[in-house]
Amino acid sequence: AQSVTQLGSHVSVSEGALVLLRCNYSSSVPPYLFWYVQYPNQGLQLLLKYTSAATLVKGINGFEAEFKKSETSFHLTKPSAHMSDAAEYFCAVSAYNNNDMRFGAGTRLTVKP
Amino acid sequence: DSGVTQTPKHLITATGQRVTLRCSPRSGDLSVYWYQQSLDQGLQFLIQYYNGEERAKGNILERFSAQQFPDLHSELNLSSLELGDSALYFCASSGGQGGYNEQFFGPGTRLTVL
Repeated sequence: AQSVTQLGSHVSVSEGALVLLRCNYSSSVPPYLFWYVQYPNQGLQLLLKYTSAATLVKGINGFEAEFKKSETSFHLTKPSAHMSDAAEYFCAVSAYNNNDMRFGAGTRLTVKP
Repeated sequence: DSGVTQTPKHLITATGQRVTLRCSPRSGDLSVYWYQQSLDQGLQFLIQYYNGEERAKGNILERFSAQQFPDLHSELNLSSLELGDSALYFCASSGGQGGYNEQFFGPGTRLTVL
């Protein structure tokens, strides 16, 4: 079975600063990895996904994530935070042989003016 | 707009009651997933259906059941409701069975049990 751990339930950055949200995964088979964002009172929206092609994945809204097998990590970054990035972010993992997607506990991002 | 619809948007009921939540997947998607999101438990996977058949089960209580109909819409039935069942219930859909398929989430149903 696969699982993800998100380090830090809350992250606060200043507007214009680098955003780094951490995700480590555990999987006995090659994983597929996803980042989702949830704005208040809304459902989850896909930011980006890794499916074994390029290890650096670019997503929407200027976010990107790098798959590092040696570190079992899939951290989400954005060079310059915007006020509109304030939301909850979820890392998720699934595998090629099943679609039992497992979500992390989420990281709430706050952006200070 | 993800293309996944859920009704109702809000539901307020009393302990011991039974409710049904409805989900219509994106056009063409065969897989439907149900999740429960609460402050203390986070986002919990409940159950998955693929083309009418149950495919995966997560942390779903025995008081809860689901089904997917021939037109691919799905219903989640919650019975003997308890205060702790108050949560956001999300439905998601995806195009296939493979793990590489991302899930598209509906807006959720907020259930309040009084």
